[in-house]
Amino acid sequence: SQKIEQNSEALNIQEGKTATLTCNYTNYSPAYLQWYRQDPGRGPVFLLLIRENEKEKRKERLKVTFDTTLKQSLFHITASQPADSATYLCALGGYGQNFVFGPGTRLSVLP
Amino acid sequence: EAQVTQNPRYLITVTGKKLTVTCSQNMNHEYMSWYRQDPGLGLRQIYYSMNVEVTDKGDVPEGYKVSRKEKRNFPLILESPSPNQTSLYFCASSLFGQGWYNEQFFGPGTRLTVL
Repeated sequence: SQKIEQNSEALNIQEGKTATLTCNYTNYSPAYLQWYRQDPGRGPVFLLLIRENEKEKRKERLKVTFDTTLKQSLFHITASQPADSATYLCALGGYGQNFVFGPGTRLSVLP
Repeated sequence: EAQVTQNPRYLITVTGKKLTVTCSQNMNHEYMSWYRQDPGLGLRQIYYSMNVEVTDKGDVPEGYKVSRKEKRNFPLILESPSPNQTSLYFCASSLFGQGWYNEQFFGPGTRLTVL
């Protein structure tokens, strides 16, 4: 069955550093990969979308890479701030396949 | 303001008592979806709808019903709730398609407890 893993349940980093979150998948052929941010008690908020034929996407301090050979996406937040502390979810979608979310990584940026 | 609204936000009920959670969006989106979120299991799709009168099962549809009679509304119905349906529920919408090649907009969530 399809499986999505995100590198760890929780990640702590120091303010100003780059946070790197990982999303790995098996038994899935995604056409698109999305990243969302979720704050406690709130609905997820869309951040970035990358297509299977794109290697990298950037938006302000955010960068996403997508390697379909490795079946992996990396999500980077540069110059991280305490306000970036949240849970980050990756999600996969593809033709003929249900849209699926990963379990999430809880990021804490320490001042 | 463009948004997805859900009601109620919190609900405590008893086993077997039918309930409906409403979802409405004001963005004229074609695609709508329901998810449940449980600790350790993440967000799992229950049902989705690609347009009016078109609905399909997600990964965990058992025990749930949906309907899409109007474009803006997509209610989730639990005919006979059981304790294992205690969860945090989210409704989402996106412009068109199957929700994965457009960003999805999520509602604020409904926390349901079934005793």
